[in-house]
This record gives sequence, C-alpha cells and structure tokens, in this order.
Amino acid sequence: AQSVTQLGSHVSVSEGALVLLRCNYSSSVPPYLFWYVQYPNQGLQLLLKYTTGATLVKGINGFEAEFKKSETSFHLTKPSAHMSDAAEYFCAVSAGYSSNTGKLIFGQGTTLQVKP
Amino acid sequence: EAQVTQNPRYLITVTGKKLTVTCSQNMNHEYMSWYRQDPGLGLRQIYYSMNVEVTDKGDVPEGYKVSRKEKRNFPLILESPSPNQTSLYFCASSLGGDGNSPLHFGNGTRLTVT
Repeated sequence: AQSVTQLGSHVSVSEGALVLLRCNYSSSVPPYLFWYVQYPNQGLQLLLKYTTGATLVKGINGFEAEFKKSETSFHLTKPSAHMSDAAEYFCAVSAGYSSNTGKLIFGQGTTLQVKP
Repeated sequence: EAQVTQNPRYLITVTGKKLTVTCSQNMNHEYMSWYRQDPGLGLRQIYYSMNVEVTDKGDVPEGYKVSRKEKRNFPLILESPSPNQTSLYFCASSLGGDGNSPLHFGNGTRLTVT
C-alpha cells in the first residue's frame, strides 16, 4: 500500500526566496512519485515525476525534486520564488511498475503563498 | 488541443435528484478516472477505467456510478445525491494504467447538494 504526507498545509515565502515543499511517502514497492500544481479554478498540471534512474528530477517552471529512498522523501524545491508560483501543490505516489490500477495516491496539498 | 473536458463546471442540486457529470478526452487515452477533492484530504479516487467496458472501484465509490461505453467518454453518475457528496470533482485520463503515465486533468466540477 502507498501513502503520502505533505508537511505543512500552507507555506509562505517572499518573492526571490527559496521554495521548499516537503513530501514523505510510504510504499511497499518501488514507487513512482509525482508533483502536481493546481492554480485557482483549474485542474492539476504535472510539474515533474520520478520513475527510475536519476534521483534529481527537473520539471517545468524551474522546479526540481530529489528522490531520497533512505529518507522516503520527495521534496520539491525552486531556488527563487516568483509571484506566479502561488498555487496549491500536490505530491502523489503510485505503485510503480507493480501497479495494475494506475491509481495515484495524493497528499493533502500545500498552498504556496508568495509575498512581494 | 489535447484536453479533458468536464461539464458542467458548477452544479447546485437537491438531495435525491439524479445527476450526471460528463467527461470527455480527445487524446485516445485508455485510462480514465474520477477523483473528488475535499479540503485537507487531497484527492481521492472514486472510480477508474482501464479501457472500454472495464471499470473498477477506487477508494470512495459509495453513492457513485460510472460507465465506459466509448473510449473518449467517462460520465460520473450520482443516482441519489446527498449533502456529503458536495465536493470538487475531477476527471483525469492517461495513456495507460501503468502508474507511469501522468494524469491529464479536467478543470473540475464544483457540486453542491442541498
């Protein structure tokens, strides 16, 4: 079984500051990990994903995440926040190649506020 | 443009009045799924479909029905809506149900049941 915990339902940063959104997962099989972003009144968009291979994954809009198996973490970072980054962010896990349902398990979400 | 289209975007109804939320994708995706989003709970899967005529329950299927008669369409049916089904609903699709293909989401349907 899989589960995801996002630490902090709200994160506030100043424009230009480092963005760090935390995600820890639990999985009984090698997981696939995803970060999605949701802007107001829109559906979720894929930011990046980890399946296999390189543990540092780069995504759109300057975001990246590192898969750390020993820490069961997949934290999302961006060196310099922009006002347009204000949104809700979801971490998700699937059962990877073991999946026969295609299901993603989502975390509770983290709302990122960017202050001018 | 590749997209998942849900209708309606907003819906207010009364307890017990049957309703259908439509979902259509134009990407020839095999896999489709419905999620509901509630504050503090993230997204929870209601039903999914691996292909035409193949559907199965997700984590919160009670009170919902689905059908997959055509590859592109995956409607969500609430036979007798109740207030606890007030939520934001998302339809999503992906190339395959292998857990690797990213999900493409519609813009959501905000349902209020009074």
